[in-house]
Amino acid sequence: EAGVAQSPRYKIIEKRQSVAFWCNPISGHATLYWYQQILGQGPKLLIQFQNNGVVDDSQLPKDRFSAERLKGVDSTLKIQPAKLEDSAVYLCASSYGTNYEQYFGPGTRLTVT
Amino acid sequence: ELKVEQNPLFLSMQEGKNYTIYCNYSTTSDRLYWYRQDPGKSLESLFVLLSNGAVKQEGRLMASLDTKARLSTLHITAAVHDLSATYFCAVDKAGGTSYGKLTFGQGTILTVHP
Repeated sequence: EAGVAQSPRYKIIEKRQSVAFWCNPISGHATLYWYQQILGQGPKLLIQFQNNGVVDDSQLPKDRFSAERLKGVDSTLKIQPAKLEDSAVYLCASSYGTNYEQYFGPGTRLTVT
Repeated sequence: ELKVEQNPLFLSMQEGKNYTIYCNYSTTSDRLYWYRQDPGKSLESLFVLLSNGAVKQEGRLMASLDTKARLSTLHITAAVHDLSATYFCAVDKAGGTSYGKLTFGQGTILTVHP
């Protein structure tokens, strides 16, 4: 069974530029999560989708971050404009449902200069 | 706000020794997860603990959950070099539709020396 796929794996941008990350969850997983992991810290949940609806986005900085999950499968996370403090690894995870174990993708390492 | 604290944050062990990593959390929850992360890699699920008193073992690792004390432990038996990694506990908020919102600890960086 294929795991969670993410792209790109690495991205370097200048501050004030925009960037987008893509995630393809495990087939059949209804719940999808985006996390931000700053170096030396544990992941922090940004947004949780159930199918194509948002369950929780309370920790998403909505002035610059946006995410969508059209058709309830793939998802994109966008940052516009990026700040230096957005440098982190962005992890996508999926689960069969909210009551089930989450499986993480390889992450996208973002560096903002 | 749910807070999750791990200790120690850094653990240097000799091969063959035993040690325990502690995970304390601040509000009621009956679901706790342990993950392993190797440098530059994503998170690998180790254990899912879903009830008070739950104990799970896999190889040299054993995890337990005491929901009344709001404490989970990850015990390492006879450490080997391959266990060197960062270990995270993550707590799921309790109740209703809140499941799936994980709050992670800071992580424990484990280094096993010969």
